[in-house]
Amino acid sequence: KQEVTQIPAALSVPEGENLVLNCSFTDSAIYNLQWFRQDPGKGLTSLLLIQSSQREQTSGRLNASLDKSSGRSTLYIAASQPGDSATYLCAVIDSWGKLQFGAGTQVVVTP
Amino acid sequence: GAVVSQHPSRVICKSGTSVKIECRSLDFQATTMFWYRQFPKQSLMLMATSNEGSKATYEQGVEKDKFLINHASLTLSTLTVTSAHPEDSSFYICSARNRDLSAFFGQGTRLTVV
Repeated sequence: KQEVTQIPAALSVPEGENLVLNCSFTDSAIYNLQWFRQDPGKGLTSLLLIQSSQREQTSGRLNASLDKSSGRSTLYIAASQPGDSATYLCAVIDSWGKLQFGAGTQVVVTP
Repeated sequence: GAVVSQHPSRVICKSGTSVKIECRSLDFQATTMFWYRQFPKQSLMLMATSNEGSKATYEQGVEKDKFLINHASLTLSTLTVTSAHPEDSSFYICSARNRDLSAFFGQGTRLTVV
């Protein structure tokens, strides 16, 4: 059974620092991996989707890497801003499109 | 990106009543939609997979008769919480699967049963 783990559970950094969020999964037979952002009491915003054949995806200050063989993905956020404060979730996607989520990393960026 | 609309965003209902939540994919056809539930400070847990024109597939431990799912068209899936009780209070989110298997989520529905 697939298990998705995110470390750390919470992270607080001063504005301007780079953020590194980790996601690991136990079954490497994934189809895609997707990173999301969730603001308190709100739904999910998709950040990056990495297909299993890809090693990384970039969008603006965000970069996500994927190492299927070791069961890991890392989300990097460069030059963090207070507006980046949120919970970040990673999810692995199987061939049916079903997502399994990690518990998330709660990020606080202080001005 | 693709847009998924979920309504209502908040609902308060009395214990014993039923509540319907709608999930619509606005600019793409979704043969498969998923319903998730999220308890406070926990991650999303998949409740069921909804396939257009067929019965939903429920995850283990999810009561089919409590959470009725209908996927009548390629752009609409509904979740009905029947005979709601306070323990059903939660945040419910739907997602629609795109062709590349990326998932787009609705805004979520905060259900409070009093």
